[in-house]
Parts: sequence; C-alpha cells; structure tokens
Amino acid sequence: GAVVSQHPSRVICKSGTSVKIECRSLDFQATTMFWYRQFPKQSLMLMATSNEGSKATYEQGVEKDKFLINHASLTLSTLTVTSAHPEDSSFYICSATGGADTYGYTFGSGTRLTVV
Amino acid sequence: GENVEQHPSTLSVQEGDSAVIKCTYSDSASNYFPWYKQELGKRPQLIIDIRSNVGEKKDQRIAVTLNKTAKHFSLHITETQPEDSAVYFCAMEYGNKLVFGAGTILRVKS
Repeated sequence: GAVVSQHPSRVICKSGTSVKIECRSLDFQATTMFWYRQFPKQSLMLMATSNEGSKATYEQGVEKDKFLINHASLTLSTLTVTSAHPEDSSFYICSATGGADTYGYTFGSGTRLTVV
Repeated sequence: GENVEQHPSTLSVQEGDSAVIKCTYSDSASNYFPWYKQELGKRPQLIIDIRSNVGEKKDQRIAVTLNKTAKHFSLHITETQPEDSAVYFCAMEYGNKLVFGAGTILRVKS
C-alpha cells in the first residue's frame, strides 16, 4: 500500500528559531500533499495544499510567510515553521495523494513540535 | 459549503456491544467519505471508506452506510473490543481535499 514518511517525529526548538518538517511519499508519486495541524483533543485542521512545482494554497487564517511550504518533487514536500513561538507547539501531520480514486489519502506519522 | 458535523463527541460501550458514529454534511457534490481511527500521538489510519455510488460497505466488524439524500453517513462497529478504543474521525472529500469531522472518542469497557 501507499506509504508516507514524515520526519522528524519529535522536535523541540527555542522561540524565534525555524523548524523544517519533511514529508515523503515512498512508493507512489504524490501529485498533491496536504499539511494539517492538530491541537490536543481536537480534529485535524488543514493548513495548506501543495501541488508539485506550484505554490501552496493556504487555508484562511494560516500565515503563508510563517508556514513555508515547498513541494519540489513528486515525492517530497517540506513545511518550515519560521520564527516559532510557543503557540505554534502542536502536532503537524502531512498527507499525500496520487489521485483519490486510486490512492486515497495517506498520512505521515506526524511531528510533535514543542517550542520553548 | 465545506462542513462535516460528527456525533457523538464521546461514546462509551461495553465490550461486545455495537458502536455507531454519525456524520452529516452540507455539500451535496461530495462523493468520497472515509473514516479514520487515530490512537494517541499517532497518525490517522483509514479503516473504511465509501463512495457515493453505493449505500453500504462492510469489512468484517466495521461497516459504513451512506444516505446521500439525507446527507449523512455512519460508522458501525460490531462486537467491540478494547483495542477499538481510539478517536474516530469521519471525513468527506471537498474539491481536492479532505474535510474532517470533530472526532469521537470511543471507549470500550471490558
């Protein structure tokens, strides 16, 4: 089946620094990748949608200059949290699809970000 | 619009009983409705999905029913086991993305 790898699984960073999270599709070409944020005991909130080679589409209320998304290839997307603050601490999960009719949506294992 | 309502928010059942979680949606153009199980700190795992050309789908103890006219779909888990305890999310495909319900915490008491 489709596999999506996400790294790192956990990261602790200081306020004001930047953190990069990688999401890779291992056995399929991900035409579209999604980035979600999940706060404790809450649902998954879509942050942005990215297609390979084009700019990401951000959901309303998500700062594109703070959450930089790059989808440089059909197997890799990155999310960079810039100038992180404690309120950015959350569980970030990526998802990838090569086309919902064939592959559905496969999720990465998530990244627990703690900003201190 | 892109909205999915999920009920109940928490559900406790005795081991062996059935559990039912229901979701309603507003966008009649949606055609794909997956259900995910998420354990604490882990990724959502697809447990079953249904497309709008069928009304019911079953996989062992798990079934999903879809009523497109009423715009609701439900997850049915029979013969619940303690390992079924988790958070369950319904979702619908809206355009080229998934919109999630708020989630249901299922506790199976042994």
